[in-house]
Amino acid sequence: AQTVTQSQPEMSVQEAETVTLSCTYDTSENNYYLFWYKQPPSRQMILVIRQEAYKQQNATENRFSVNFQKAAKSFSLKISDSQLGDTAMYFCAPNQGGSEKLVFGKGMKLTVNP
Amino acid sequence: DAGVTQSPTHLIKTRGQQVTLRCSPKSGHDTVSWYQQALGQGPQFIFQYYEEEERQRGNFPDRFSGHQFPNYSSELNVNALLLGDSALYLCASSSYRAVGYGYTFGSGTRLTVV
Repeated sequence: AQTVTQSQPEMSVQEAETVTLSCTYDTSENNYYLFWYKQPPSRQMILVIRQEAYKQQNATENRFSVNFQKAAKSFSLKISDSQLGDTAMYFCAPNQGGSEKLVFGKGMKLTVNP
Repeated sequence: DAGVTQSPTHLIKTRGQQVTLRCSPKSGHDTVSWYQQALGQGPQFIFQYYEEEERQRGNFPDRFSGHQFPNYSSELNVNALLLGDSALYLCASSSYRAVGYGYTFGSGTRLTVV
């Protein structure tokens, strides 16, 4: 079964700092997608960034970027210039079986302090 | 552009009862997936509906069933509720032909079984 490991259960940073969230996964597939979702206290899961596994170039969305290492099955998220609104649970999730089905890690709680 | 709408937001049921949760997908999406998120865990895939049929199913018992209507909205039914069914139930919509672009999630239904 596909597994996702987010080894840091919780992190705390100061506003404007940069933080990196780690994620490793296990898959036997060659073509897949990887996602980072955030879940604020409002409970709604919000897509932060996506990466296509067949692309070597790391994805970037404004202050968010990833470090994708396919061979190592590592997919870390870097948040630059952290803002108070970044406070949330963050989940790493690859898709499975060529479908939209996602396998989620346990998540990491990020707190951005003023 | 309306996002994913779920109802109700909260409900409390007694062990052994049956419950129905509802979801309206984002405009333009034709596929609905349901996830169960236990406290402190990442979401787990229950099943996916497309063209009014169950297309994929996760490791959940037959007590969990669903339906999709011609307007793409969906219901999740859980029979013979157990205490362990207490969780946040998330509905996620997507486009069946656009795999890899991620879901749009609703804010979830918090189910408490007593």
